[in-house]
Amino acid sequence: AQKVTQAQTEISVVEKEDVTLDCVYETRDTTYYLFWYKQPPSGELVFLIRRNSFDEQNEISGRYSWNFQKSTSSFNFTITASQVVDSAVYFCALSEAESGGGADGLTFGKGTHLIIQP
Amino acid sequence: NAGVTQTPKFRILKIGQSMTLQCTQDMNHNYMYWYRQDPGMGLKLIYYSVGAGITDKGEVPNGYNVSRSTTEDFPLRLELAAPSQTSVYFCASSTPQGLGELFFGEGSRLTVL
Repeated sequence: AQKVTQAQTEISVVEKEDVTLDCVYETRDTTYYLFWYKQPPSGELVFLIRRNSFDEQNEISGRYSWNFQKSTSSFNFTITASQVVDSAVYFCALSEAESGGGADGLTFGKGTHLIIQP
Repeated sequence: NAGVTQTPKFRILKIGQSMTLQCTQDMNHNYMYWYRQDPGMGLKLIYYSVGAGITDKGEVPNGYNVSRSTTEDFPLRLELAAPSQTSVYFCASSTPQGLGELFFGEGSRLTVL
């Protein structure tokens, strides 16, 4: 069965520091998708990124970057020059394309609560 | 754009009462989901549906029922509410081509006393 582990329950940094959120996953599928979602204090869940298992290229979007390493089953998320608006709970998630067909939803980690202090 | 709409946003129930959380989406998505979120526990899948007339259990289905009579609507029924069902409930939808990218509603906070 699939599993997503976010070992960091809470991280607190001062604004403008860089911060990395860790995500480790387990799956028996060779085709799968990894996701990051953001949940700000308002409560809604916002999609940030999807990565498929065949694409290990790192991705950068503004201050956000993602490092996908199949060798260590990790999909880490880095925020550069953090801002107070980055304060949120961040979830890593996994979708198994083979066993689940992509239809049976995502398996979420427990989330990392990121606090950016001014 | 409405997207995924959930009602009610807040509800307090007494033990043993029943209620239905409503979810509707206007994006013509085939796939719909109900998750619950408990503090520090992430989101857990309750039920999902791949189309009208088709539903399936997720990880934590006990105490809940769903139906999918139309593409747009996916209500979640709580029978005989228990304190363990105190949680925030999220409805989500996606397309088969979305490959797991879910569009979420704003959530419904339910308290059972």
